[in-house]
Amino acid sequence: DVVMTQSPLSLPVTLGQPASISCRSSQSLVYSDGNTYLNWFHQRPGQSPRRLIYRVSNRDSGVPDRFSGSGSGTDFTLKISRVEAEDVGAYYCMQGTHWPRTFGQGTTVEIK
Amino acid sequence: EVQLLESGGGLVQPGGSLRLSCAASGFTFTSFAMSWVRQAPGKGLEWVSTISGGGGGTYFADSVKGRFTISRDNSRNTLYLQMNSLRAEDTAIYYCASGSTTFDYWGQGTLVTVSS
Repeated sequence: DVVMTQSPLSLPVTLGQPASISCRSSQSLVYSDGNTYLNWFHQRPGQSPRRLIYRVSNRDSGVPDRFSGSGSGTDFTLKISRVEAEDVGAYYCMQGTHWPRTFGQGTTVEIK
Repeated sequence: EVQLLESGGGLVQPGGSLRLSCAASGFTFTSFAMSWVRQAPGKGLEWVSTISGGGGGTYFADSVKGRFTISRDNSRNTLYLQMNSLRAEDTAIYYCASGSTTFDYWGQGTLVTVSS
């Protein structure tokens, strides 16, 4: 199975400051069709997950442009340029290239 | 607007069975693979199963293989998860999600509790 390793697991941030989450996979996530199926999800407490970023760097409709995704191969990053109060919660990376699909452990973002 | 609405969760004894449903609307259901993802209390997300748009292809996590089956009724725009031989470790919120590679949309989840 492809292991997805996120860091840090806990991320205290100051409002208005940037934040960055790393996600590393144990195998390349480049699929035979040339796409890299690495996605990012945000889950607020008590809510279901919501996708933020798909295929490494494509932001979903309605997602603020302070969120950005980057990376390639086995090394990926989610960045928040200026953290706002509504950004708290858990962030998960997930690979959709290999079976079984696997998620990172999650990174909990909290306001200092 | 895309909507996914799960139902069928509840309290079941170890060894028992339960069938979850996910009613979909707002998109062309038959064009999309569909998946189930679960989240144990206080834990992270775990992929459970995926079924292709036509229903001919199915995939399962090792933890549920042989006990769970996934199916869909494209005439009713509904996804199902039949769960047999349930164990305490199957206790979780079960979410349905659209897609098999990018998990575009998620439902609100349904809670399954396996306990005597």
